[in-house]
Amino acid sequence: AQTVTQSQPEMSVQEAETVTLSCTYDTSESDYYLFWYKQPPSRQMILVIRQEAYKQQNATENRFSVNFQKAAKSFSLKISDSQLGDAAMYFCAYRNPRGGSEKLVFGKGTKLTVNP
Amino acid sequence: KAGVTQTPRYLIKTRGQQVTLSCSPISGHRSVSWYQQTPGQGLQFLFEYFSETQRNKGNFPGRFSGRQFSNSRSEMNVSTLELGDSALYLCASWGGYNEQFFGPGTRLTVL
Repeated sequence: AQTVTQSQPEMSVQEAETVTLSCTYDTSESDYYLFWYKQPPSRQMILVIRQEAYKQQNATENRFSVNFQKAAKSFSLKISDSQLGDAAMYFCAYRNPRGGSEKLVFGKGTKLTVNP
Repeated sequence: KAGVTQTPRYLIKTRGQQVTLSCSPISGHRSVSWYQQTPGQGLQFLFEYFSETQRNKGNFPGRFSGRQFSNSRSEMNVSTLELGDSALYLCASWGGYNEQFFGPGTRLTVL
C-alpha cells in the first residue's frame, strides 16, 4: 500500500523568509502524481501545486516550488517570500491513476505558522 | 462556476443514530470522492464514485455507505453512529486535468 509521510508536524517561518516542508512517500508504481494541498483554518482545502512523476522538471507556481527526487521518493515544498496568508495546514498527497481512480493518499500534514 | 457544496455544514447526533451527508460537485464533474478528517488519523479515503458507480472504497466498516445520483450529486450515510465517527467529512469533485476540488466539509459531532 502506498504511504505518505510528513515528518514535520509543525513549522514556523518569518514573513518574507523561505521555508521548506518535507514529504516522503512509498510506492512501487512508476506512474503517479504528487500534490501539495493547503487547508487554512476553517477554510476549504485548495491545491497548491502538483507534480507528474514522469516529468523530471520540478513544478513551480509563483512563490511555491517543489523538489521532486523520484529515486529517493521525496517531494518537498518550498515557499518563498512567505506571507501571513500562507499560514495553514499543508498536506502532501499521492495519487495512483491506475484504473482511473482519483483516490488521494494524504500525509498527516504540517502546520505552518508565519510570524510577522 | 459554483464550487463543491456540502450540506449540512454542521451536525450533532447521538450514538446509535444514523446520518446522511450530501455533496454537490462542480457542474460538469462526474467524479466524487469522500474523505474523513480527524486529528488522530488525518485524512482518510472513504469512497469514490464515477457516473453512479463506486469505483474505489477505503478501509471503513460497512456502516459507511454512499451513492451517486444521475446528476452527479452524492450522498454518504453512516449508520449506528459511534463516538469515533466524529470528524470533518470532505467531499471532492474531479472533472479532469488532475485536480480535485474540495468542498467546505460537514462537521459531524457524535455525542
